Amino acid sequence: TQLLEQSPQFLSIQEGENLTVYCNSSSVFSSLQWYRQEPGEGPVLLVTVVTGGEVKKLKRLTFQFGDARKDSSLHITAAQPGDTGLYLCAGGPNNLFFGTGTRLTVIP
Amino acid sequence: DAGVIQSPRHEVTEMGQEVTLRCKPISGHNSLFWYRQTMMRGLELLIYFNNNVPIDDSGMPEDRFSAKMPNASFSTLKIQPSEPRDSAVYFCASSFGGPETQYFGPGTRLLVL
Repeated sequence: TQLLEQSPQFLSIQEGENLTVYCNSSSVFSSLQWYRQEPGEGPVLLVTVVTGGEVKKLKRLTFQFGDARKDSSLHITAAQPGDTGLYLCAGGPNNLFFGTGTRLTVIP
Repeated sequence: DAGVIQSPRHEVTEMGQEVTLRCKPISGHNSLFWYRQTMMRGLELLIYFNNNVPIDDSGMPEDRFSAKMPNASFSTLKIQPSEPRDSAVYFCASSFGGPETQYFGPGTRLLVL
């Protein structure tokens, strides 16, 4: 059983489209992180959310932490080919668990 | 500034051989993490050091795996003897303080034949 379930597992969209990916758990988290991993590289931290209901924006990326601190979403506006990668959420006890990941492909 | 440095970047070995992976964390960071990533199981924590002391090694698969951190600037992950199921990408990450903000190295891609 995965502590952190992410959906969808795979997503392929056209450049310019919007998308949302999700990270869900049955556990409450003190904080949750989102990472992006490109092929052949290690994950890179995008954001940390801490407060229930918190919304953080990073250019075209919007991150939301659920009110109950059990789930989070990442919304990308006007996706670009450079957004292609594996998106991972992380959290759980001691923030040491990673989700199953969403593999995003943005087609030019 | 240099990020987390891992060596080697690629390793191909035969079953039964000893494999040693190396990591140099970011200077000033006091926490170090070893992860393994596979398509089937995703990214899994193997062991977590804080101030050179192992804090959580519950993810270490079995006695064949061992990790050391002799000082703040160096860590090793050793597999002896290696098996084909150990084939994966092994990542080292470091942070200052807790695990909330980890910086990952480029990984070592291990193939055990």
